[in-house]
Formats: sequence, C-alpha cells, structure tokens
Amino acid sequence: QKEVEQDPGPLSVPEGAIVSLNCTYSNSAFQYFMWYRQYSRKGPELLMYTYSSGNKEDGRFTAQVDKSSKYISLFIRDSQPSDSATYLCAIGLISSGSARQLTFGSGTQLTVLP
Amino acid sequence: DGGITQSPKYLFRKEGQNVTLSCEQNLNHDAMYWYRQDPGQGLRLIYYSQIVNDFQKGDIAEGYSVSREKKESFPLTVTSAQKNPTAFYLCASSIQDRNQPQHFGDGTRLSIL
Repeated sequence: QKEVEQDPGPLSVPEGAIVSLNCTYSNSAFQYFMWYRQYSRKGPELLMYTYSSGNKEDGRFTAQVDKSSKYISLFIRDSQPSDSATYLCAIGLISSGSARQLTFGSGTQLTVLP
Repeated sequence: DGGITQSPKYLFRKEGQNVTLSCEQNLNHDAMYWYRQDPGQGLRLIYYSQIVNDFQKGDIAEGYSVSREKKESFPLTVTSAQKNPTAFYLCASSIQDRNQPQHFGDGTRLSIL
C-alpha cells in the first residue's frame, strides 16, 4: 500500500463547476498537508498548505483535512479553464533538526472545459 | 525576482555518458532537494541537502550523485549507472526548521539518445 493515494483521474468538468480532488494517507504521524498545481512542462506551484484538521480557504480554493479519517481534499469553486492542470497532494512529517521530506500523491489531471 | 532556476530545460544523454543538471536558488533557503517525476508515479526523492557540504540519499539515489559546495547551488549528476534515466527532474528548496513548504523550479526533461 502506498503511503499516499490520490484519485488518479483524469477529471473533466464544465466551466463553473465545483471540483473535488482527494487524497488518503496511511501514516497517522503525518503532520502537514499541501496541494500543488502543475501545468504541463512546468514545476509544481504551491496552492495551499495546512497543519491542522478542518478547512482553510484561499479565494476559490478550499483545503480540507480530516486527520481522524486520514483524508484530505481540495475544492475548487467556480472552476475556470485556467485551472486545467495536474494537482498533486503532498503530505509530510516535521522532524526536529532535519529537512522536511514530503510524500507526494501521483497527481490528478483536471481539465475545465469552456 | 527570487526563485529556483533549473538548466537546461531539455537534455539528451548518450549511452554510457554522465550528465549534470543545474539548480540554482536565490531564495536564501537552507535545504534543497532533487526529485524525479515519472508519469503516474508522482515525485520521488533522489537526494536532499540541509546545509552546505552535507547531503543525504532519498528513496531512489542509485545511479545519481550530488554536491553542495554553495548554499545557492545543488547540481545533480545522472551517471551511466542509472539505467532508466528518462524522466522529468525537479529541484526544490525550503527554509529549514520553519513552517514553510518546498518551492520548485521548472524542471529538466532528460531523454536517452
């Protein structure tokens, strides 16, 4: 079993739809949670990060973490064609005195149709 | 503008050849990382470095080598021992021991000739 499992997609939605992207993880010691957006032939760009259960909102994006279920989600409201990209979840440990290491999901490719 | 610069954008390797991928950052970050990205597999950690002149192996270090002689630079060499080098290579950096995530460059795509 992979430490982080991400819904593989691909996902295709009409413009204006609400998008839900999801990851589950197996290690209850994971302490922080991120979502990255990656356009084709580009590096991942950080969208959201959080350290606690609950919701964190930033514009049209909401990150949701449920530590008891080991489940994280990214919601995109009023989706736009420019949101078409691959979305990666990344989950990590905070180890005192050491560089943080992240475990990435395999990514979900999203296409928003105009 | 602060950021992470990877070069070249595209690189071709002949059989038996070593190639070096460049990664430079001007974010004053302490930690730097190299990842490999293959379709459907997410990002896998090759090497990481927390301070100058120190680095640690990640999950898939075999066939790769790195150096960290300067804080802002973390080059990756793909050696001839890496039998399947075709992939997208990503460099990242972060502030160590702070609540800050990793930031990425735009990658180098390496292919076999």
